[in-house]
Amino acid sequence: DAGITQSPRHKVTETGTPVTLRCHQTENHRYMYWYRQDPGHGLRLIHYSYGVKDTDKGEVSDGYSVSRSKTEDFLLTLESATSSQTSVYFCAIRGAPGQPSYNEQFFGPGTRLTVL
Amino acid sequence: AQSVSQHNHHVILSEAASLELGCNYSYGGTVNLFWYVQYPGQHLQLLLKYFSGDPLVKGIKGFEAEFIKSKFSFNLRKPSVQWSDTAEYFCAVNSPGGSQGNLIFGKGTKLSVKP
Repeated sequence: DAGITQSPRHKVTETGTPVTLRCHQTENHRYMYWYRQDPGHGLRLIHYSYGVKDTDKGEVSDGYSVSRSKTEDFLLTLESATSSQTSVYFCAIRGAPGQPSYNEQFFGPGTRLTVL
Repeated sequence: AQSVSQHNHHVILSEAASLELGCNYSYGGTVNLFWYVQYPGQHLQLLLKYFSGDPLVKGIKGFEAEFIKSKFSFNLRKPSVQWSDTAEYFCAVNSPGGSQGNLIFGKGTKLSVKP
């Protein structure tokens, strides 16, 4: 398994509170991604990063921000959580450049977030 | 924009039945194609992938998929399913020329295998 951890693994919070999810990798890979998974929607890209301090929006970025101050950590922040952000959040990393896996993504274990 | 369609939302089979899950994508250029599996309560794992070459791709656990370019399809097959194949299956696509490597996922097909 790729060395990807996510924390926390489960969180329950209330509407209006800020929440930060952390993704940590030990692979030193450049690209990292945040997805949310919802029934009937599959996985949808929230934000991605292509290097330290280099990030960009995905398909469903409204209400989320990200930061990447170190190669190994990619943080996802819900600035003011809403019930529509109740979801399972997955982090992923891209394979290493020059390797057959470069166009693959490897996923973390996920964070289940419930916003009441 | 790229999109991926998975035809079946939920498939229920008995053990030893054959499986075929449909996946179609919309994109005019060259694509990389993937099938991921998610067992209950777990993260996504790669089942198989197609980048180029032989359009019949074999993956782990006896799964295979066939890329048919003219039909924009990448259907997943297994000749004889087992109870342990109960999971959700996601088809995904990205572009080899895409610098960011972003994956576009289908909505998933839930497979339930009855013992």
